[in-house]
Amino acid sequence: GESVGLHLPTLSVQEGDNSIINCAYSNSASDYFIWYKQESGKGPQFIIDIRSNMDKRQGQRVTVLLNKTVKHLSLQIAATQPGDSAVYFCAERRDTGRRALTFGSGTRLQVQP
Amino acid sequence: DADVTQTPRNRITKTGKRIMLECSQTKGHDRMYWYRQDPGLGLRLIYYSFDVKDINKGEISDGYSVSRQAQAKFSLSLESAIPNQTALYFCASSPGDGRGLNEQFFGPGTRLTVL
Repeated sequence: GESVGLHLPTLSVQEGDNSIINCAYSNSASDYFIWYKQESGKGPQFIIDIRSNMDKRQGQRVTVLLNKTVKHLSLQIAATQPGDSAVYFCAERRDTGRRALTFGSGTRLQVQP
Repeated sequence: DADVTQTPRNRITKTGKRIMLECSQTKGHDRMYWYRQDPGLGLRLIYYSFDVKDINKGEISDGYSVSRQAQAKFSLSLESAIPNQTALYFCASSPGDGRGLNEQFFGPGTRLTVL
């Protein structure tokens, strides 16, 4: 069946290091893959998305990589800062049918000073 | 002011009670959504609405109902609350078609406890 999941529930990194958050998906029919950030006590916030026909997309301090061969998605955060501490969710969406997001279970990123 | 607001922010109720959670957005979006979040799990879609006349069930709609009173308002009801509906509930809105559907704007959440 369809699933969007994550390899690790918690990732701890040192401030200033680069962070890599991974996500595995099983639905090869997805048209978009999206990353959201949820800070404690807040609703999720959109970070970046990537269309399924792309391999890489860059934003401000973030890069999303998509490997369709192994159905793997990653979010790279450069020079991780304390404000990056949050739970990160990957999500997927198709352009047909329901067109709603399906979220994974999340990875908690802890930034150590 | 917040673009997506939810009321109440916290609610404790008893089994069998009817509960309504309300959501308003000032972004002028057509699309609105209700999600449920449980500890250790991602967000699961309860209902979504692509415009005032279009309401759709999500993954976990049993035990819930919704009403889209206007473009800006989307409410979620639990007709007869049960303890396993204890969760954090989020409302969201998004722009129309294409890539806009990827960027949903979430409210601050409503923490519901059913005793």
